[in-house]
Amino acid sequence: NAGVTQTPKFRILKIGQSMTLQCAQDMNHNYMYWYRQDPGMGLKLIYYSVGAGITDKGEVPNGYNVSRSTTEDFPLRLELAAPSQTSVYFCASSYSLGATSNQPQHFGDGTRLSIL
Amino acid sequence: AQKITQTQPGMFVQEKEAVTLDCTYDTSDQSYGLFWYKQPSSGEMIFLIYQGSYDEQNATEGRYSLNFQKARKSANLVISASQLGDSAMYFCAMRGPFIQGAQKLVFGQGTRLTINP
Repeated sequence: NAGVTQTPKFRILKIGQSMTLQCAQDMNHNYMYWYRQDPGMGLKLIYYSVGAGITDKGEVPNGYNVSRSTTEDFPLRLELAAPSQTSVYFCASSYSLGATSNQPQHFGDGTRLSIL
Repeated sequence: AQKITQTQPGMFVQEKEAVTLDCTYDTSDQSYGLFWYKQPSSGEMIFLIYQGSYDEQNATEGRYSLNFQKARKSANLVISASQLGDSAMYFCAMRGPFIQGAQKLVFGQGTRLTINP
């Protein structure tokens, strides 16, 4: 019963370093999403994907890149880490029964990232 | 632009009482959906309940119900017979029109609910 798996769970980066947050789902969901949650705030959408090879920007995409080479994986890359990117990052996935499916998004447990 | 407002930063309720968590939304779209998620102190996001803008009945899921008042643009979560395990952050989120089937969710700031024994 893995669902959505995020690695690592915690990471500390120095300013200017780069890293990739991994996200994998085993539910054969076609839609995947990346959110960030700043302290005391709700989640904000960074990027999303409607299927392998197709990605698009969300509300706060600056400073991040994504790729989706397979249905299962949706990694998020930070190229030049900045203190403003200190946050908890959540990956989510959902499937569609049709173009207007209302299936809820299933979330991973999050990655807590600190940039110092 | 879509916006979700949760005006209660924190709420304290006695165990076994019912509790209502407020959520108001703003959108110009005719088709939209409203979700409630629970985030325990362990941090994961747990889906609770969903209401579509065209749904005529209020959604219910066990002890959770959604008081949907479309004209007032409110979608309050009602938890009946609260339990200690209900202590958590609760987020209201809105989906706008689908984009190639994808749901772009906008979240409120959340309400921290504490259940007292």
